[in-house]
Amino acid sequence: DQQVKQNSPSLSVQEGRISILNCDYTNSMFDYFLWYKKYPAEGPTFLISISSIKDKNEDGRFTVFLNKSAKHLSLHIVPSQPGDSAVYFCAASVSGTYKYIFGTGTRLKVLA
Amino acid sequence: DTGVSQDPRHKITKRGQNVTFRCDPISEHNRLYWYRQTLGQGPEFLTYFQNEAQLEKSRLLSDRFSAERPKGSFSTLEIQRTEQGDSAMYLCASSSTRRHITEAFFGQGTRLTVV
Repeated sequence: DQQVKQNSPSLSVQEGRISILNCDYTNSMFDYFLWYKKYPAEGPTFLISISSIKDKNEDGRFTVFLNKSAKHLSLHIVPSQPGDSAVYFCAASVSGTYKYIFGTGTRLKVLA
Repeated sequence: DTGVSQDPRHKITKRGQNVTFRCDPISEHNRLYWYRQTLGQGPEFLTYFQNEAQLEKSRLLSDRFSAERPKGSFSTLEIQRTEQGDSAMYLCASSSTRRHITEAFFGQGTRLTVV
């Protein structure tokens, strides 16, 4: 049972445009969500997180939106840059459990 | 601070052999995690330590797997009698309970190939 789903395995975007990566979850107990970026042969790098008490969190070019009623979150990257090309993982956790449940990832390619 | 460090980066072993991986977390982090990632999948939780105590183990962690964190510092993950299905990237991560934000920071991983 995949509790965190990233239904788009890949996405291509032109440099300078907006990249929108989506993530859906099924467990209503999840209350903390994170996005990680992963380059080949490296470990995931933390990007941005959001608590369920918020519906938006922004950090520079990265914004995460959370829609609790739809059990959906998205990561917006504006403007997209070629260096953003990587695999992006959505992760979720329940307070006090300390483990993350990851989605299967979306490969983003930003075209110059 | 150099981040989370894992050793070795790559390991090729024959089926049936034992392997051990090491993880050095960020120095002030008291939580340490092991995850496993296979091709096309996201990282899957294996186990979690707070200081030296192993507080949770996934069902994925069969009795051939054992993890330790002596003195609450570095951690080791041992796989006994390796099988081809154990081939994966093994990721270590650490985080701190002393911060409000609880994101985990990952090391570069150990890629295990069982032949």
